[in-house]
Amino acid sequence: DGGITQSPKYLFRKEGQNVTLSCEQNLNHDAMYWYRQDPGQGLRLIYYSQIVNDFQKGDIAEGYSVSREKKESFPLTVTSAQKNPTAFYLCASSKAASGTQYFGPGTRLTVL
Amino acid sequence: GQSLEQPSEVTAVEGAIVQINCTYQTSGFYGLSWYQQHDGGAPTFLSYNALDGLEETGRFSSFLSRSDSYGYLLLQELQMKDSASYFCAVSSSRGYQKVTFGIGTKLQVIP
Repeated sequence: DGGITQSPKYLFRKEGQNVTLSCEQNLNHDAMYWYRQDPGQGLRLIYYSQIVNDFQKGDIAEGYSVSREKKESFPLTVTSAQKNPTAFYLCASSKAASGTQYFGPGTRLTVL
Repeated sequence: GQSLEQPSEVTAVEGAIVQINCTYQTSGFYGLSWYQQHDGGAPTFLSYNALDGLEETGRFSSFLSRSDSYGYLLLQELQMKDSASYFCAVSSSRGYQKVTFGIGTKLQVIP
């Protein structure tokens, strides 16, 4: 079955540690996205990538980094520079120039 | 930049019809999408409008007016399982396609 996987579902880290969230898709989609969602809020775009080896900052990129070495993978690193990293992180993918995004199940990150 | 406005909460009765409005401001408009998200879950795609008019998918319909920068999601024959948050999202295209989400409308369906 095609889809998007994110791991782990829940993640706990100590303040000051970098952490990398995984996102893999086998839908053969060109575009991939990372969003952050806080309680009772909408989705805010962190980074997006339209093709391999290229990515663009979204609205809240500070304190985050990404890579796109393979079409299927778009990992997100939450660095110690992110001041308030506790949130629900969602990865999505879409065909190029498509309004339809497919979301992974999300990772809930808690920084203690 | 882009911005979207939608009501924060709506309550409707089971079996009724509800309309969730969305107004947007963006440059390089490409299309308007709607997503459903249940508590604790991930958003799932409902519909997409790139052209003016109504798109119907089962009990759900979505409308777009590009000249008014306005769209709505219409849910008919409401069921309890429709209780969820509904997000409108605008796609803009200036070289790279970027999607911006509204804050979401929490729909509560009551018996």
